[in-house]
Amino acid sequence: QQQVKQSPQSLIVQKGGISIINCAYENTAFDYFPWYQQFPGKGPALLIAIRPDVSEKKEGRFTISFNKSAKQFSLHIMDSQPGDSATYFCAVRTDGGTDKLIFGTGTRLQVFP
Amino acid sequence: EAGVTQFPSHSVIEKGQTVTLRCDPISGHDNLYWYRRVMGKEIKFLLHFVKESKQDESGMPNNRFLAERTGGTYSTLKVQPAELEDSGVYFCASSQDLGYGYTFGSGTRLTVV
Repeated sequence: QQQVKQSPQSLIVQKGGISIINCAYENTAFDYFPWYQQFPGKGPALLIAIRPDVSEKKEGRFTISFNKSAKQFSLHIMDSQPGDSATYFCAVRTDGGTDKLIFGTGTRLQVFP
Repeated sequence: EAGVTQFPSHSVIEKGQTVTLRCDPISGHDNLYWYRRVMGKEIKFLLHFVKESKQDESGMPNNRFLAERTGGTYSTLKVQPAELEDSGVYFCASSQDLGYGYTFGSGTRLTVV
């Protein structure tokens, strides 16, 4: 049973465009929603994260939009650059006592010049 | 500050053999995690150490997997005997405090043939 559903599986965007990746979750007990960025041959790296008491968080070109009632959150990459080409994973934290994360299946983003 | 180090980076073994993966967390990080990504699927939690103690091992697939963290420093994950379905990328991560995300290593790609 997949508790976090991520879409799309792959995304192709032109340089300067907006990349949008969506995630939906089931359990309302989740309390921390990070996005990780992974380049080939590297481990996932924390990109940006949000807690459920806010609806949006912005860091540079990256924004998380959070809809608690719909149990959805999304990553927006503004002015997408070729250097943003990577795999992006959303995640939810299940238990504050262990910081255990449940990840989505990942989105491979390719930004073309 | 050195990051999370994992080795080997790649391992190819035959079904039935034993493999031991090693993870050196960031110095001073009490929390250490193991995750696994099977081809094209989500990154799945395996277990969480706090220092040398197993805080949560609910994600360990079966008793062919044994994780240790002697002295609360580096950790090993042994698979014995390996099966074909154990193939995937094994990630280690560490953190100092809960709730602020953690740092992943580059992973060990395990192929069982």
